[in-house]
Amino acid sequence: KNQVEQSPQSLIILEGKNCTLQCNYTVSPFSNLRWYKQDTGRGPVSLTIMTFSENTKSNGRYTATLDADTKQSSLHITASQLSDSASYICVVSEAVSGNTPLVFGKGTRLSVIA
Amino acid sequence: NAGVTQTPKFRVLKTGQSMTLLCAQDMNHEYMYWYRQDPGMGLRLIHYSVGEGTTAKGEVPDGYNVSRLKKQNFLLGLESAAPSQTSVYFCASSYRAANTGELFFGEGSRLTVL
Repeated sequence: KNQVEQSPQSLIILEGKNCTLQCNYTVSPFSNLRWYKQDTGRGPVSLTIMTFSENTKSNGRYTATLDADTKQSSLHITASQLSDSASYICVVSEAVSGNTPLVFGKGTRLSVIA
Repeated sequence: NAGVTQTPKFRVLKTGQSMTLLCAQDMNHEYMYWYRQDPGMGLRLIHYSVGEGTTAKGEVPDGYNVSRLKKQNFLLGLESAAPSQTSVYFCASSYRAANTGELFFGEGSRLTVL
């Protein structure tokens, strides 16, 4: 069964510190992997999308990595800010034709405190 | 540019009542989706549409109906609400199929069924 597992489930860090969130998946065949940020009470917003051939992608202070061989991805947040407090969701899609469902992880809840 | 707009944002129903959630997008996207988000679970696809006049079932379609009479609108209906349908519902749209195109989400509609 296609699955996306994220760790940790939740994380608390001090403002200004770095952190790394993990995503492991079993989705096959692989098409792309996305990271979304979801603020409390809001809809998810795309941070990065990576295909099989991309192993690093950055969006400001957010850097995602992908190891398609081990089926692992990480999201690294540099110099965290209070506004980074949110859930971060890893999403993987299959490389098949048609509009197949995306596989969503349960998310990591990040809290950045002053 | 409003993006994806959902109405209403909050609703409380009694078991057995019916209601319709409206999703509107102004990006001229062909593809539209309805997801539900429950605590401790990843987003799950309810129904989707690949163009005006078309609809298809997702992972958890039971108890819901949808219609896409106009390209910009995607309606989600509950004919006889059940407490198990208490959830946060997200509409999303994309220019290409979900497994290749970026999804744009609405702000969510929180539904409570008593």
